[in-house]
Amino acid sequence: QITLKESGPTLVKPTQTLTLTCTFSGFSLSSRGVGVAWIRQPPGKALEWLALVYWSDDKRFSPSLKSRLTITRDTSKDQVVLTMTNMDPVDTATYYCAHNRLWEAPDFWGQGTLVTVSS
Amino acid sequence: QSVLTQPPSTSGTPGQRVTISCSGSSSNIGSNAVNWYQQLPGTAPKLLIYTNNQRASGVPDRFSGSKSGTSASLAISGLQSDDEGDYHCATWDDSLNGLVFGGGTKLTVL
Repeated sequence: QITLKESGPTLVKPTQTLTLTCTFSGFSLSSRGVGVAWIRQPPGKALEWLALVYWSDDKRFSPSLKSRLTITRDTSKDQVVLTMTNMDPVDTATYYCAHNRLWEAPDFWGQGTLVTVSS
Repeated sequence: QSVLTQPPSTSGTPGQRVTISCSGSSSNIGSNAVNWYQQLPGTAPKLLIYTNNQRASGVPDRFSGSKSGTSASLAISGLQSDDEGDYHCATWDDSLNGLVFGGGTKLTVL
């Protein structure tokens, strides 16, 4: 079955760069049509899509955050890494990675990881 | 401000039927499939409905989805206390070239 799990720091300081890793199993990011998305949810607020990478290494980013985001895939390790630069307290949120298919919303989600931005 | 519009909250009594709406535009709901998620307190979103009206594995038939034009709806019949939580809609947006979500609807079972 498909599973995903996020890992990374729980606390980052303002202006630092956040690096999160999504480790998945049950599917291959080399299979046509498959993608992995990153989504976040500030406490008590809505879900917000951040970025995604497809099997072809095609990458898409939220227009409002594009300048701060990088997404890479490592098919040999079954991992996707998201980096977000210049972190701010408003970036405090639970960050999720999720499996999706081309032009579709996600189906399987990771458990999420809470990242707090504070000095 | 979310791209897709959902009511912030709704409520119902046990056994009742409730519906949650999700409104978008021609570039998202109007041309792509909608998914619905249930998010119970302190947990990750869980897929309920995919491709507008298909129930995910293990989801009881009390949950149903529909889509018409640029709007979609989730209906929950035979409301139960453990249905309390947040419900989110999502789809692909051709103009943004990315995923879009609704603001989420908090369901309270009275």
